[in-house]
Amino acid sequence: QQQVKQSPQSLIVQKGGISIINCAYENTAFDYFPWYQQFPGKGPALLIAIRPDVSEKKEGRFTISFNKSAKQFSLHIMDSQPGDSATYFCAASEIYGSSNTGKLIFGQGTTLQVKP
Amino acid sequence: KAGVTQTPRYLIKTRGQQVTLSCSPISGHRSVSWYQQTPGQGLQFLFEYFSETQRNKGNFPGRFSGRQFSNSRSEMNVSTLELGDSALYLCASSFTRDSTEAFFGQGTRLTVV
Repeated sequence: QQQVKQSPQSLIVQKGGISIINCAYENTAFDYFPWYQQFPGKGPALLIAIRPDVSEKKEGRFTISFNKSAKQFSLHIMDSQPGDSATYFCAASEIYGSSNTGKLIFGQGTTLQVKP
Repeated sequence: KAGVTQTPRYLIKTRGQQVTLSCSPISGHRSVSWYQQTPGQGLQFLFEYFSETQRNKGNFPGRFSGRQFSNSRSEMNVSTLELGDSALYLCASSFTRDSTEAFFGQGTRLTVV
């Protein structure tokens, strides 16, 4: 029940295209859903995050879509660029659960390659 | 503003030894979390500290321990190292009490031989 399932494992997109990465969760107590971007040799960097009271959040070329009833959320990268080539992780956390504060459950990651 | 600093960046240890990793959070951040990253298991939560108190612990054996100091700096210790402990150990800090907006360091790459 603590798992977050992420797909696809890898993704190749042409420059200018839309990259879409999906995640699904089981634990309905999760109430914070961030996305992280990781380049080789670096730690994950927070890209964008959403709470379940909204269905969509957009920051620049990055958009999170959230479907509470389906327990799914996705990251859309518009106008994908070669510089976006990295590994992307979705995560979930139970902010208000006293036993789970500070614990992010990560998906397995998606390696994105944007071809010039 | 300096980011999360982890030292050392790379470490090679022998089976059976112990190791201590250090994390200096962003100034003003009181929450520090630790994660283990491996190709097979991905990113797994180790533990989280807030104001020197461990609030949460992941599903790791007791060989993994940590602490946080009054200046919010944190250390994690792994005793009796095993080959399977080879991983990238990441530290994240957060300003908020609910530990959202966690910022990660570059990690310490531990290799056990």
